[in-house]
Amino acid sequence: DAGITQSPRYKITETGRQVTLMCHQTWSHSYMFWYRQDLGHGLRLIYYSAAADITDKGEVPDGYVVSRSKTENFPLTLESATRSQTSVYFCASSGLGLAGGLAKNIQYFGAGTRLSVL
Amino acid sequence: QKEVEQNSGPLSVPEGAIASLNCTYSDRVSQSFFWYRQYSGKSPELIMSIYSNGDKEDGRFTAQLNKASQYVSLLIRDSQPSDSATYLCAVLFTGGGNKLTFGTGTQLKVEL
Repeated sequence: DAGITQSPRYKITETGRQVTLMCHQTWSHSYMFWYRQDLGHGLRLIYYSAAADITDKGEVPDGYVVSRSKTENFPLTLESATRSQTSVYFCASSGLGLAGGLAKNIQYFGAGTRLSVL
Repeated sequence: QKEVEQNSGPLSVPEGAIASLNCTYSDRVSQSFFWYRQYSGKSPELIMSIYSNGDKEDGRFTAQLNKASQYVSLLIRDSQPSDSATYLCAVLFTGGGNKLTFGTGTQLKVEL
């Protein structure tokens, strides 16, 4: 099916374990993003990618690693999970369109992964 | 630090009334503005985008942008209980690549 999908939808892990959250999009969008959403903080950008093999840090990158070997996939890895990484994680993607000189970037979100670190 | 600010609410309106949601931002040269709706336990979904000063209407929704005053608003006419959700304002700041900066959201409750 076309769209953006995240897996798993729910994950429970223990502190110190490595966890990888998957994100896959079928639109061939150039840009992909990882956010975490916590009460009182809204959506905070963890990492983003402008294209395959191009990634950059967002607002809260510490403790996370990303890769993008293919345009359609953008996995997020918690190398050694901590309780403070308990959150809801959203992946998003956007294309880059130009109209009248303005970039009309619209981000589309996956369904999210609810991660609990015990 | 570029910021997007919203009143967290909750904003309560009776069914059929107009709901007015506001958002201010800190950078004068921002070009693109978005409103997302997020139901509890769900992901954000885009409901409106606006790029130039003035109003943009789509069904019961109207987005208003005033760059001189650095605010963008969302009006929901004939509010329905199904409009009860959190509304996120997002801004694409100039020079920020394709990154959006989100406000923390305003919770809207439409009461019967």
